[in-house]
Amino acid sequence: TQLLEQSPQFLSIQEGENLTVYCNSSSVFSSLQWYRQEPGEGPVLLVTVVTGGEVKKLKRLTFQFGDARKDSSLHITAAQPGDTGLYLCAGEGGGGAGSYQLTFGKGTKLSVIP
Amino acid sequence: DAGITQSPRHKVTETGTPVTLRCHQTENHRYMYWYRQDPGHGLRLIHYSYGVKDTDKGEVSDGYSVSRSKTEDFLLTLESATSSQTSVYFCATEVDRVGNEQYFGPGTRLTVT
Repeated sequence: TQLLEQSPQFLSIQEGENLTVYCNSSSVFSSLQWYRQEPGEGPVLLVTVVTGGEVKKLKRLTFQFGDARKDSSLHITAAQPGDTGLYLCAGEGGGGAGSYQLTFGKGTKLSVIP
Repeated sequence: DAGITQSPRHKVTETGTPVTLRCHQTENHRYMYWYRQDPGHGLRLIHYSYGVKDTDKGEVSDGYSVSRSKTEDFLLTLESATSSQTSVYFCATEVDRVGNEQYFGPGTRLTVT
């Protein structure tokens, strides 16, 4: 079983601060996705990264895929209360039967205080 | 966004009773998935389908069965519910293998007493 470790598990910051969330594994993934989930709702896809070293930006959110495709980070600049939610990373691949399935991390719960 | 609905949204049932959860999609996506989400465990795959009548087991399939008789519907059945199956269940769909981007339904909160 491929594991994705997310850190930190919980993060509470003031509005306007910057933050980084990490997603790490010992397995190589063919792609990695980030989702955001709000209470009472299903996860919503934010971005997919495919190439090692790839950087994608989505407004104030910057996503990076590690060179070896084993890790990823999500950086939020000037966090706003609307960024509050559970951030999940999910990796595809890693070898073995059913390796095209997604493996999810346990998530980082972010609270942005006004 | 893919049009994915789940029913019921909330259910309370007793141990030993059968329960069926329904996922309906309007996007004609080929792949469909059932996950459960629990504190401390994240999202775990129960079963998935890669086409009509084509299904396979995921990481935590014991105690669950699925059926897909039409592209748009994917049913998850708990034959005899147990308290350990209390969870939030999410259905997801995926167009194809490229990008592996999944679209999730709103979830069903199931409580087994």
